[in-house]
Amino acid sequence: AQSVSQHNHHVILSEAASLELGCNYSYGGTVNLFWYVQYPGQHLQLLLKYFSGDPLVKGIKGFEAEFIKSKFSFNLRKPSVQWSDTAEYFCAVTTKAAGNKLTFGGGTRVLVKP
Amino acid sequence: GAVVSQHPSWVICKSGTSVKIECRSLDFQATTMFWYRQFPKQSLMLMATSNEGSKATYEQGVEKDKFLINHASLTLSTLTVTSAHPEDSSFYICSARDSLVTDNEQFFGPGTRLTVL
Repeated sequence: AQSVSQHNHHVILSEAASLELGCNYSYGGTVNLFWYVQYPGQHLQLLLKYFSGDPLVKGIKGFEAEFIKSKFSFNLRKPSVQWSDTAEYFCAVTTKAAGNKLTFGGGTRVLVKP
Repeated sequence: GAVVSQHPSWVICKSGTSVKIECRSLDFQATTMFWYRQFPKQSLMLMATSNEGSKATYEQGVEKDKFLINHASLTLSTLTVTSAHPEDSSFYICSARDSLVTDNEQFFGPGTRLTVL
């Protein structure tokens, strides 16, 4: 069965710092990968997704993620965060074998200090 | 972009009563919708996959008689929590997949916070 792990549960950083959130999945076949963000009191929003092609994916709000198949990783990055990036970030995966159901990681709570 | 709504956004009920939550895709048709549960400070756990015109598929450990799902049209799925108890208090989130699009992106509703007294 597929699974997703996010290494950091909580991250605290200052504005303008760079952000990298780790995400690893366990599945040997073809995967679709997603990063979602949940701002305080709001619903899940898609930041970016990877289905195929260029492993470096650019999303909204200056976020990007790199799919490294050999490492089963899909880390999320932003070079310079803002206070408004304070949110919870979820990595997720779908596979055909699992009926294209989303499996979420545990989430990483990011706090950006002004 | 695709919009999914949920109603109500929050509900408080007495133990033993039933609560119905609606999930609607507003500008697209959704053959498949999903119901998730999110406990405080935790991730989303898939409860069931709702398929239009057929029975829902429940994840292991989810009681189908307690969480009744109906997907009667291409834009509406409902989740009924029957005989609710305090341990059912949670944040329930639905998502929908656009029937006309072949990728696997799901669009999420804003969630419904259920509190059972």
